[in-house]
Amino acid sequence: KAGVTQTPRYLIKTRGQQVTLSCSPISGHRSVSWYQQTPGQGLQFLFEYFSETQRNKGNFPGRFSGRQFSNSRSEMNVSTLELGDSALYLCASSLPRTSGGGLPSTDTQYFGPGTRLTVL
Amino acid sequence: QKEVEQNSGPLSVPEGAIASLNCTYSDRGSQSFFWYRQYSGKSPELIMFIYSNGDKEDGRFTAQLNKASQYVSLLIRDSQPSDSATYLCAVTDKLIFGTGTRLQVFP
Repeated sequence: KAGVTQTPRYLIKTRGQQVTLSCSPISGHRSVSWYQQTPGQGLQFLFEYFSETQRNKGNFPGRFSGRQFSNSRSEMNVSTLELGDSALYLCASSLPRTSGGGLPSTDTQYFGPGTRLTVL
Repeated sequence: QKEVEQNSGPLSVPEGAIASLNCTYSDRGSQSFFWYRQYSGKSPELIMFIYSNGDKEDGRFTAQLNKASQYVSLLIRDSQPSDSATYLCAVTDKLIFGTGTRLQVFP
């Protein structure tokens, strides 16, 4: 089974530009989460999509947005890029995250290779 | 206080020793915890998860969870140089990761 794929793998942009990153989850996975990873802050949650709906959102400004398509592929967009947006952006897919019923979520997240974004 | 805290390390252990990686979390309601390993320049990969108090063993790895003390740990027995990586603790019902502990296993 093919893993999570992300495109592009590397991207260089300048301040003020916008960027769109793409993620294709593992076949059959319907939940896609996005993370930003930087040396100082570690892995920070951006948002999670399930069945084309945003289910959770992290603490990032509105310049960061995302969407999910009917085939579970997801895109994230960053507008008006800032130098501090330079990071590794990781996408992770999982089977539908269980919630409710008093059961803890044990859905494994499988990460893609990431997109390395550099803002100059 | 960060929601998930880990010592950034590096934690240096000799080959064959036991490496002990610790993680504390602030939300007492957290229920499920994962350990991921991330090699330099690569994406995180799952090692194991735990959500019941006590120990859970998988090969050379043992995860320990103590909800009363709000900590989760990972023990790596017979450490190998190939175990050298950054280990990320995650509270997965909230999708929060710690910043990771860098482990170095020297021959």
